[in-house]
Amino acid sequence: QVQLVQSGAEVRKPGASVKVSCKASGYSFMSYAMHWVRQAPGQRLEWMGWINAANDNTRYSQKFQGRVTITRDPSASTVYMELSSLTSEDTAVYYCATTFTAIFSLDPWGQGTLVTVSS
Amino acid sequence: DIVMTQSPFSLPVTPGEPASISCRSSQSLLHTNGDNYLDWYVQKPGQSPQLLIYLGSDRASGVPDRFSGSGSGTDFTLKISRVEAEDVGIYYCMQALQPPWTFGEGTKVEIK
Repeated sequence: QVQLVQSGAEVRKPGASVKVSCKASGYSFMSYAMHWVRQAPGQRLEWMGWINAANDNTRYSQKFQGRVTITRDPSASTVYMELSSLTSEDTAVYYCATTFTAIFSLDPWGQGTLVTVSS
Repeated sequence: DIVMTQSPFSLPVTPGEPASISCRSSQSLLHTNGDNYLDWYVQKPGQSPQLLIYLGSDRASGVPDRFSGSGSGTDFTLKISRVEAEDVGIYYCMQALQPPWTFGEGTKVEIK
């Protein structure tokens, strides 16, 4: 079955960077886009950006432009999301989600990765 | 950015009774191809969000037929015909018409 497995929880100090991975299985990795969404405590879900797994094209939310980089490794069926210049407001659960069901719909999702930013 | 607004914020329901959640967008989600780029997701306690409805009214694979989506343009509704205990969670609408994709603030469905 289609499955996305993310890397484990991370703790970072303010100003640092974090890189979260998302390994896909059960489908043709190159055929679908991968999105990243985060959920800060008490906040609504927030879309960060996406990558076209076929051609490496990316699109980022203006809010994260310049701080977020989404990359892919087709040989490992894995997508990465790196966020730099972290502040306490980046403390959140980060999810990857692919577009297996419909071209712009997020399905399925990974299990989430908690990133804690604290001094 | 397109702003998504849901109501109510909290929805206590009795098992077996119907439930309805409203979602409004700050601009039309109707694409020139005739599809509405509006999805519904549910996040059950301790789980990741999962897709329920896409393109306004299409049920995702495995979603029970007691869930239905309707609406067009800027006004959308998710209905549960008969709520079951397993339906507790936070329901979100999301627009996928133009980046950035944006979500509503969520509606918490709980059993009375």
